[in-house]
Amino acid sequence: DAGVTQSPTHLIKTRGQHVTLRCSPISGHKSVSWYQQVLGQGPQFIFQYYEKEERGRGNFPDRFSARQFPNYSSELNVNALLLGDSALYLCASSSGQFYGYTFGSGTRLTVV
Amino acid sequence: SQQGEEDPQALSIQEGENATMNCSYKTSINNLQWYRQNSGRGLVHLILIRSNEREKHSGRLRVTLDTSKKSSSLLITASRAADTASYFCATDRTTGNQFYFGTGTSLTVIP
Repeated sequence: DAGVTQSPTHLIKTRGQHVTLRCSPISGHKSVSWYQQVLGQGPQFIFQYYEKEERGRGNFPDRFSARQFPNYSSELNVNALLLGDSALYLCASSSGQFYGYTFGSGTRLTVV
Repeated sequence: SQQGEEDPQALSIQEGENATMNCSYKTSINNLQWYRQNSGRGLVHLILIRSNEREKHSGRLRVTLDTSKKSSSLLITASRAADTASYFCATDRTTGNQFYFGTGTSLTVIP
């Protein structure tokens, strides 16, 4: 079985631009979460989606948005990029509350 | 903001020694998980311990949880060079899968 896949793996954007990151969960996993990890820090929770509904949102500005599709894949959108948005963006899927997350390898976003 | 804090921030040991890292958190939790991350890549789930459990084992890993002290420890026995990585604890504050990660412990195992 394929794990959690994220695309693209690396991305360079200019300040003010918009970016869309994509995630495909493990087959059968209905929960998808997004995390931002700045170099040297732990992952910060951005969003959780379950059955296409937003179930949680971290402390991020409205420039960050996400959605989950009927096939449970997900997109994370960031508008008006700032230099501080440069980070590793991680997607994780899970089969339930008492199971761990399976993480993708992440998308490395660099804003210049 | 981070929910948990790992201690120590960095740990360097010789191959074959045991490594212990600790995690403290602030609010009541349902579950606590430990993850490993190699050099800025994706995280790998190691073990999940529920709030009503006190100890759990998985291979060379032993996790303890003390909800009265709001703390957990991860013990890696007989460490190997391949265990070199950053280790994070993650806790949930609500029912569901919204986990909040600590700041991590960077473990270096010297061959």
